[in-house]
Amino acid sequence: DQQVKQNSPSLSVQEGRISILNCDYTNSMFDYFLWYKKYPAEGPTFLISISSIKDKNEDGRFTVFLNKSAKHLSLHIVPSQPGDSAVYFCAASALGRGGSNYKLTFGKGTLLTVNP
Amino acid sequence: GAGVSQSPSNKVTEKGKDVELRCDPISGHTALYWYRQSLGQGLEFLIYFQGNSAPDKSGLPSDRFSAERTGGSVSTLTIQRTQQEDSAVYLCASSLVQGALYEQFFGPGTRLTVL
Repeated sequence: DQQVKQNSPSLSVQEGRISILNCDYTNSMFDYFLWYKKYPAEGPTFLISISSIKDKNEDGRFTVFLNKSAKHLSLHIVPSQPGDSAVYFCAASALGRGGSNYKLTFGKGTLLTVNP
Repeated sequence: GAGVSQSPSNKVTEKGKDVELRCDPISGHTALYWYRQSLGQGLEFLIYFQGNSAPDKSGLPSDRFSAERTGGSVSTLTIQRTQQEDSAVYLCASSLVQGALYEQFFGPGTRLTVL
């Protein structure tokens, strides 16, 4: 049973436009969410995260939105650049009060292609 | 500074053989994780080491899989009697301390192909 779902295996956008990558989760215990970016033949690298106490977190061109009631989060990239072409993984963790939980549950990833 | 390194980068083996995959975490990182990514799937948690504590092996798919971490640094993931379904990219990550709040730095992975 997949607890983190990325229903779009791929997305193609034009350079300069907005890229929106979506992620849904089913486990209501998840309270911390992350996005990782992966280039071919490299390991994933951390991109941005959001705690469930927030509904938005922004870092430069990257913004993550969290809708807890819908159990949905999205990553917006504006403006998109060809170098953003990669696989993007959504991940979630149930930190709880202790904040020490280390397990991340990943989605299957979305391949973003930004065309020049 | 040096990131997480893994060796070999690619491994092709025959069904039934044993394989060892190595991970060198970032120096000073106390937490070490192994994941695998099968074709078309997300990253699947396998095992976690934190300092001298007993590892969390809850993600290991069968008793053919084992891992150890020597001296709190290098880790080896061993798969015995490999099966074709073990074919995947095996990723190692390390973080400064335990907890999802602390960024996990990933190595490039070992692509295992079982013929």
